[in-house]
Amino acid sequence: QQKVQQSPESLSVPEGGMASLNCTSSDRNFQYFWWYRQHSGEGPKALMSIFSDGDKKEGRFTAHLNKASLHVSLHIRDSQPSDSALYFCAASEGSSSFSKLVFGQGTSLSVVP
Amino acid sequence: GPKVLQIPSHQIIDMGQMVTLNCDPVSNHLYFYWYKQILGQQMEFLVNFYNGKVMEKSKLFKDQFSVERPDGSYFTLKIQPTALEDSAVYFCASSLWTGGARAETLYFGSGTRLTVL
Repeated sequence: QQKVQQSPESLSVPEGGMASLNCTSSDRNFQYFWWYRQHSGEGPKALMSIFSDGDKKEGRFTAHLNKASLHVSLHIRDSQPSDSALYFCAASEGSSSFSKLVFGQGTSLSVVP
Repeated sequence: GPKVLQIPSHQIIDMGQMVTLNCDPVSNHLYFYWYKQILGQQMEFLVNFYNGKVMEKSKLFKDQFSVERPDGSYFTLKIQPTALEDSAVYFCASSLWTGGARAETLYFGSGTRLTVL
């Protein structure tokens, strides 16, 4: 069973629109969450981390974490064609650097001009 | 931002041969990782490494796999012998431990695409 589940599998939004991505963990040991973005032919790059309940905003990106339900979301406002990529939710038990990241299966986002 | 370099970007080898994938982590990072990705899908954890030792490995890290970082040079993943199912993109990552009670962000390289024929 996947410990980190993402939805939807793929998403298409118009340029300037809002993209909403979801992630749910089935393991209560996961306390720390990241959103990574991967453009084709490149490695994943961390967009933002979220460790506390509530919202965290960085520019056009807002992450929301609900630890009780182990649900984390990512909202991208004013989506741009350059936002088209594969988005991964990743979780960690944390507390030390050699606590590995467990990735979801990814959401493919397409922003249509 | 911090850069992790991976060499080579592509590698094609015959099944049964040995292959070494090289990674130059971020200079002040202390923790190193290898992940495997098939066909742009999920990133699967293979192994993490600190202070010359494997800290944790997954079931994907078969006996044919080994990692090392001799004398602070490249962090390497060696597969000997290779099998067809080893074809994938292998990503190296590194992180910095600052001593706090939080988790640290992993920085990934651009990957090595390995094709086993």
